[in-house]
Amino acid sequence: GAGVSQTPSNKVTEKGKYVELRCDPISGHTALYWYRQSLGQGPEFLIYFQGTGAADDSGLPNDRFFAVRPEGSVSTLKIQRTERGDSAVYLCASGKGETQYFGPGTRLLVL
Amino acid sequence: EDQVTQSPEALRLQEGESSSLNCSYTVSGLRGLFWYRQDPGKGPEFLFTLYSAGEEKEKERLKATLTKKESFLHITAPKPEDSATYLCAVHFRGDYKLSFGAGTTVTVRA
Repeated sequence: GAGVSQTPSNKVTEKGKYVELRCDPISGHTALYWYRQSLGQGPEFLIYFQGTGAADDSGLPNDRFFAVRPEGSVSTLKIQRTERGDSAVYLCASGKGETQYFGPGTRLLVL
Repeated sequence: EDQVTQSPEALRLQEGESSSLNCSYTVSGLRGLFWYRQDPGKGPEFLFTLYSAGEEKEKERLKATLTKKESFLHITAPKPEDSATYLCAVHFRGDYKLSFGAGTTVTVRA
């Protein structure tokens, strides 16, 4: 079956711009997670959704970051006023139970 | 503070040369330990989940084991296609997120 998909696969933007990153989870998975991975590091947790609500957003670095999942399926991670330090791979994962299955990621480069 | 540490950072092996990767964790309560494989430019691919000390899981040339404070990923007679970064992640009790180590990058030469 289809895995987690993320779009776009790559995004180049300029400092100060707004970006949206999309995640389509595996069908039927109620849990959805966003992580951020910098070069040479493991993924770092950003936010967790159970259904439509954000059950844990403790990993969001500041209020420029926001995520939604309005119908309990697709999720969008939104970053306002991007900074060069936001450059990273943004990974989405979905799960049903303990295991999380990751998408291919969106590579964000802020110039 | 709960932490996950992987060693070594990098491992270069000759094809057929078996070795082990280590994942140690300091945690107040473990809910599960996960191993993932990540190829360059791809997302992590799930390999194993371990829940209790003494548990072992196997998949092809990979075998994961768990003790109270660490996990090992054994690679038996590796092939070049086993080259990847192997990530360890811990699911702490009372939490939903995975806490990852930095990974071990394995290169297997033919």
